[in-house]
Amino acid sequence: QKEVEQNSGPLSVPEGAIASLNCTYSDRGSQSFFWYRQYSGKSPELIMSIYSNGDKEDGRFTAQLNKASQYVSLLIRDSQPSDSATYLCAVIASGSARQLTFGSGTQLTVLP
Amino acid sequence: DVKVTQSSRYLVKRTGEKVFLECVQDMDHENMFWYRQDPGLGLRLIYFSYDVKMKEKGDIPEGYSVSREKKERFSLILESASTNQTSMYLCASRAWAGYSYEQYFGPGTRLTVT
Repeated sequence: QKEVEQNSGPLSVPEGAIASLNCTYSDRGSQSFFWYRQYSGKSPELIMSIYSNGDKEDGRFTAQLNKASQYVSLLIRDSQPSDSATYLCAVIASGSARQLTFGSGTQLTVLP
Repeated sequence: DVKVTQSSRYLVKRTGEKVFLECVQDMDHENMFWYRQDPGLGLRLIYFSYDVKMKEKGDIPEGYSVSREKKERFSLILESASTNQTSMYLCASRAWAGYSYEQYFGPGTRLTVT
């Protein structure tokens, strides 16, 4: 079982819609959760971090964490074509020597 | 602003050559990492360093070595480049952000070994 799992997609949404990206993790002791955005041919860019159960909002982005169900999600409101990228979920698990474990990423396409 | 730089964006080397990839961060971060990223395989950790002169093997260290002589600089060395080391190489550094570590990547070096 992979430690961090994401639906690889591709996920397509129309411009202006809400894009919902999901991630599950296996280590119940995980404490820190991150979302990275990666444009084709570029390096990952940190866009959100979340540590507590509930929602965290930053502009059009909302991260949601549910530790009991071991999932973290990213909502992108009013999606724009410029949001088209691969989104990587990353977790610091309890026994990982504080290293990030990455999911394989979800490819998002926002259609004009 | 966080700044991680890598010495080259694109690099082409021949099989058997010794290759040096340089990474520099200007945030006084103690922790630095080298990953490679390949289609279908995701990000894989090669080596990391939590302090100057310190290095630890990641998940795929074979064929690589590293050097950390100064806090701001972390170098990845391919002792004898092979075609299966053709990849995107990503350096990252991180620092404590109040509750957890936050990690930032450099722009990447796309290495082709022919």
